[in-house]
Order: sequence, then structure tokens, then C-alpha cells
Amino acid sequence: NAGVTQTPKFQVLKTGQSMTLQCAQDMNHNSMYWYRQDPGMGLRLIYYSASEGTTDKGEVPNGYNVSRLNKREFSLRLESAAPSQTSVYFCASSEPEGSPKIYNEQFFGPGTRLTVL
Amino acid sequence: QKEVEQNSGPLSVPEGAIASLNCTYSDRVSQSFFWYRQYSGKSPELIMSIYSNGDKEDGRFTAQLNKASQYVSLLIRDSQPSDSATYLCATSDYKLSFGAGTTVTVRA
Repeated sequence: NAGVTQTPKFQVLKTGQSMTLQCAQDMNHNSMYWYRQDPGMGLRLIYYSASEGTTDKGEVPNGYNVSRLNKREFSLRLESAAPSQTSVYFCASSEPEGSPKIYNEQFFGPGTRLTVL
Repeated sequence: QKEVEQNSGPLSVPEGAIASLNCTYSDRVSQSFFWYRQYSGKSPELIMSIYSNGDKEDGRFTAQLNKASQYVSLLIRDSQPSDSATYLCATSDYKLSFGAGTTVTVRA
């Protein structure tokens, strides 16, 4: 049981390049989330998916797109990377099948450290 | 925009002392409250969840919730050097809103 896994762990991009961050969970959770964490700003929600086939914007969605490929996988794409997207990106999942939504205990992956030059 | 405010750090406590962390939130519809611990360079780890007013104890950790005052706290008793980390408060009415975190250092 690996929990939430993310790839890659580190990435350096040049301005304008694109890339996709991958996330997978093996806990049979319905909901998945992408956050970014910047110094002194806590965690900010980029996008989330309440269930397979649905996605919604979070607090800071500009410059990102997401795909909920299936129940296990949720990817984050940067189409044209900018230096302002230098951050640590965390994927999380919550809500086991049958669990009330209000509990929303989220479990995080190890993170991807992205630098955009 | 929901706001979650945590007491500014860093907080330095001697080994064996009680560390007290505070958090206030602005959204009255929040129903779930969480404390996450984050070691430097690592991902957040859920350590406490609380859903109703009062105290909840788990080992050396006690979470306290007061919905009328929109206040949630975390006490760490008998602090150990391994408790040195950043503690994040989060509230949820489905999506989580995080505070900026309080960094705790336990001095041996």
C-alpha cells in the first residue's frame, strides 16, 4: 500500500516549456487535489476532483490544467511554465468510498519540487 | 475567501514542556478541523482531526475546538526534539483551507 505517489520528485524547466506532474493513489479515494506550497504562504489549492470525471478550480488555477484519468490518477499540466510557478507541488486524496464528505481527511504525496528558470 | 490564521512563530520550547499552537478561522460553515505536521522538505502528515466542540486527545497531542469563537488549538505535551516541525491548521467544509503554519523548535 503505497498511499499517494507523485512523479517526478524534482524538475527544472525553462520559461515556456510544458510538463505534466503525475499523481496516483491506491486507497480507493474518491477525491483528489493539487496544491502548491510557497514559503510563508501555506498550501494553496490549484484544482481538485471530487470524483472520477469531474474537476473544479481551486484558489490559484491560472496557468494549470488537470486531468482525472481514472479513479486512481490525477495529473497536473503546465502548458507554458513561468518563473512564478516555481514551487513545491503536492497531490492529496481523501474520502474513502462510503465515507461522509465532511470528514475530508486528506493524505498527501511526497511532493514535486519544480524550478522554472 | 476563507481565512485561517495561526499564531506567528517560530515557537521555541524546552524538551518536556508544553507547546501551545493556536488557530482562528473566518468561515462559520467549516465543519472539520485538522492539524498537520510537516517536517522540513517533507509532505504534510495528518496528526489530529476534530469535528465537534471540546477536547480530543491522542497520545501527547490534544486538540481543542470552540466553534462559537471560531478557534482551534493544539497542545503538545512532554515535547520531544522529534516534534520540531511546522504545524499547519486546516479547516474544511469540503475543500481544505490551510493556515501558513507555525514552526516549532524543541530545545534539548
